[in-house]
Amino acid sequence: GQQLNQSPQSMFIQEGEDVSMNCTSSSIFNTWLWYKQDPGEGPVLLIALYKAGELTSNGRLTAQFGITRKDSFLNISASIPSDVGIYFCAGLNSGGSNYKLTFGKGTLLTVNP
Amino acid sequence: SQTIHQWPATLVQPVGSPLSLECTVEGTSNPNLYWYRQAAGRGLQLLFYSVGIGQISSEVPQNLSASRPQDRQFILSSKKLLLSDSGFYLCAWSVSVRKQYFGPGTRLTVT
Repeated sequence: GQQLNQSPQSMFIQEGEDVSMNCTSSSIFNTWLWYKQDPGEGPVLLIALYKAGELTSNGRLTAQFGITRKDSFLNISASIPSDVGIYFCAGLNSGGSNYKLTFGKGTLLTVNP
Repeated sequence: SQTIHQWPATLVQPVGSPLSLECTVEGTSNPNLYWYRQAAGRGLQLLFYSVGIGQISSEVPQNLSASRPQDRQFILSSKKLLLSDSGFYLCAWSVSVRKQYFGPGTRLTVT
């Protein structure tokens, strides 16, 4: 089946630093989603990407849909303590009746104040 | 606006006992509904999804089952819980298949 490789698995950064994480796949996706999960809560959708090359921002977060359609990147600028959490990428190839997202295993972000 | 509810929020059950987790969505019609399990290792495992009332697709063979008795209600059940059923259970919905929104989750501990 489809698999997503998300990296890094964890990051420890200082407040104010920029953060980059990415997901790669052996399969082509036509949708990339990025979620953030706080401890004990459900993942929250941050950014959705639908076209190769698309660059979308949500506040200090910017995500890009890779040109090859096999990867996506998430950047966080000027990190703050509330950015702490697990960030998941998810991809979808909605051909036919495929309703299922493929998730990465997450990047655990720790921000030191 | 749309909202998704899950209950209970936490549950501690003994091995061999039955299980019923409920998920309801408000503010939309005919959503696709999903049950995921998240183990301590963080990965999200899709268990079931439904594209309409009475329609359930199972992704992983196990002692869990799902039902959709109403358009915006999705139930996860088990007749006899195993220790390995412990985890964080997440319900999600979508109208466009290209976005999914998650509920707050249920923490299940089987003792």
